[in-house]
Amino acid sequence: QVQLQESGPGLVKPSETLSLTCVVSGYSMTSGYYWSWIRQSPGKGLEWIGSISYSGNTYYNPSLKSPVTISVDTSKNHFSLKLTSVTAADTAVYFCARHGPTFNDAFEIWGQGTVVTVSS
Amino acid sequence: DIQMTQSPSSLSASVGDRVTITCRASQTITRYLNWYQQKPGKAPNLLIYAASSLHSGVPSRFTASGSGTDFTLTISSLQTEDSATYFCQQTYSAPLTFGGGTKVEIK
Repeated sequence: QVQLQESGPGLVKPSETLSLTCVVSGYSMTSGYYWSWIRQSPGKGLEWIGSISYSGNTYYNPSLKSPVTISVDTSKNHFSLKLTSVTAADTAVYFCARHGPTFNDAFEIWGQGTVVTVSS
Repeated sequence: DIQMTQSPSSLSASVGDRVTITCRASQTITRYLNWYQQKPGKAPNLLIYAASSLHSGVPSRFTASGSGTDFTLTISSLQTEDSATYFCQQTYSAPLTFGGGTKVEIK
């Protein structure tokens, strides 16, 4: 069965870069679907960060204050999130998820989430 | 951005009660509306997609309807395991957005 697992540092200093990886098991990312990052904080609820397609097309939420990059490494069957120049407002639980086969389809599979705190 | 407004923000009901949650979009999203259930410390789980289609494995007591801007999720007979927070989400256009959530508690 398809599973997603987030990993990355739980603590990031302000103004530094937050980097997370989502490893996909049970499915080859090159076969299709969209791969997304979502975060959840008490203050802002669930917030879609962005998605990347199996072919590498990216879609980002322009509301995010910190610059975002989502990339995919098909050789390792994982995709990654980078948020640069983070602030305390980027403290949240970060989830990766799969949706598809089209961009407009629901998020059917989620990772368990990873807590990231931005603090000096 | 399309704003998603859920109501109520919380409710308390007894086992066996019929519960209805409403989600309103700030502009038409046709039927690109999904519902998720989230329990504390866990990721959201998909319940309903495309406004009214039941995701695989979800109990039939969960039903949903709507189109355009107004949508509802109904639990026909509330069970103890339904205690959770429920979110709607529009996937009509980017940025994809979620409602603020409805916390369902069991009396």
